[in-house]
Amino acid sequence: DGGITQSPKYLFRKEGQNVTLSCEQNLNHDAMYWYRQDPGQGLRLIYYSQIVNDFQKGDIAEGYSVSREKKESFPLTVTSAQKNPTAFYLCASSIAEPNNEQFFGPGTRLTVL
Amino acid sequence: GNSVTQMEGPVTLSEEAFLTINCTYTATGYPSLFWYVQYPGEGLQLLLKATKADDKGSNKGFEATYRKETTSFHLEKGSVQVSDSAVYFCALSGTGTASKLTFGTGTRLQVTL
Repeated sequence: DGGITQSPKYLFRKEGQNVTLSCEQNLNHDAMYWYRQDPGQGLRLIYYSQIVNDFQKGDIAEGYSVSREKKESFPLTVTSAQKNPTAFYLCASSIAEPNNEQFFGPGTRLTVL
Repeated sequence: GNSVTQMEGPVTLSEEAFLTINCTYTATGYPSLFWYVQYPGEGLQLLLKATKADDKGSNKGFEATYRKETTSFHLEKGSVQVSDSAVYFCALSGTGTASKLTFGTGTRLQVTL
């Protein structure tokens, strides 16, 4: 079955540590996205990538980094510079054309202790 | 820029009641409009979409009509079930880069017996 996988589902880290969240898709989509969701709020775009080896900052990129070395993979690193990293992180993908829906993974809940 | 405004929740209904969740938008050009649903602890699933004015999207008993004159895309269902309890997000896709989506803040629906 085609889809998007995110791992792990729950992640705990100590303050000051970098952590990398995994996102893999087998939908053959060119575009991939990372969102952050906080309780009672909508989704905020962190980074997106329309093609391998290229990515752009979203609305809240500070304290995060990404890479896009393969079409299927778009890992997100939450760095120690992110002041409030505890949140639910969602990865999505789509074909790289306007007006198309995005397909979402199940999410990773990150808790920084 | 683009924006989406949804009615604030939570919306609490009895089973078999009629549902309306209001969504209005601001956008340039002719965006596509989407409704996504999020069940607790999960990612978002596309519920329905409409790509041009007067289109009606429908799925699982839910409907929404793209009204350009009122810049609205209200979600309706004639008879809700307990299993419809979730958070519903209205979103629009700009006509610019790729398929970047702008989301509303979400509306929580709780259906009781």
